[in-house]
Amino acid sequence: DVVMTQSPLSLPVTLGQPASISCRSSQSLVDTDGNIYLSWFHQRPGQSPRRLIYKLSVRDSGVPDRFSGSGSGTDFTLKISRVEAEDVGLYYCMQGTHWPRALTFGGGTKVEI
Amino acid sequence: QVQLVQSGAEVKKPGDSVTVSCKASGYSFTSYDINWVRKAPGQGLEWMGWISTYNGETNYAQKFQGRVTMTADTSTSTAFLEMRSLRSDDTAVYYCVRGLISGTCNWGQGTLVTVSS
Repeated sequence: DVVMTQSPLSLPVTLGQPASISCRSSQSLVDTDGNIYLSWFHQRPGQSPRRLIYKLSVRDSGVPDRFSGSGSGTDFTLKISRVEAEDVGLYYCMQGTHWPRALTFGGGTKVEI
Repeated sequence: QVQLVQSGAEVKKPGDSVTVSCKASGYSFTSYDINWVRKAPGQGLEWMGWISTYNGETNYAQKFQGRVTMTADTSTSTAFLEMRSLRSDDTAVYYCVRGLISGTCNWGQGTLVTVSS
């Protein structure tokens, strides 16, 4: 199975400052159709997760443009250009390239102020 | 609007079985697959498997094969997750999700399953 490794585990941030989370896959996530099915999710305590980014860099509807996704092959990054208080919580990357055999989440990164 | 409404919290004993339901509304149920994801306390998100609501095809994560069954009732637009031989480490919040990989993504509100003797 594809292993997704996130870093850091914990990320202290400062309001108004940029932040970034790294995600690495054990296999290439480039699909046969040329797409990279790498998504990012955000979960606040007591809430269901929310997807922020899919297909590497496409923002979901309603997601602020301070969030951006990038990367290639096996290395990926979620960037927050200016952290806001509502951005605290857990962030997960997820690969969907190898679906339906398996979907895999990263271990998560806790963002706190 | 699209909604996935899950059944309520469950408390089970080790060895029991549990069924969690996920009722969909606001879209054509058979046009979108349903994935199931869980989050145990202090752990990350874990994908459990997938069901095609169109033809009932399933694929389970290797970890859950033999212990999980996913079904879908198109007459009621409801997906089900059955888990057997529950253990304490199955204590988690279980989520149904539409559109996990691409397109519009919707999550159920989650169902807490507590396994305790």
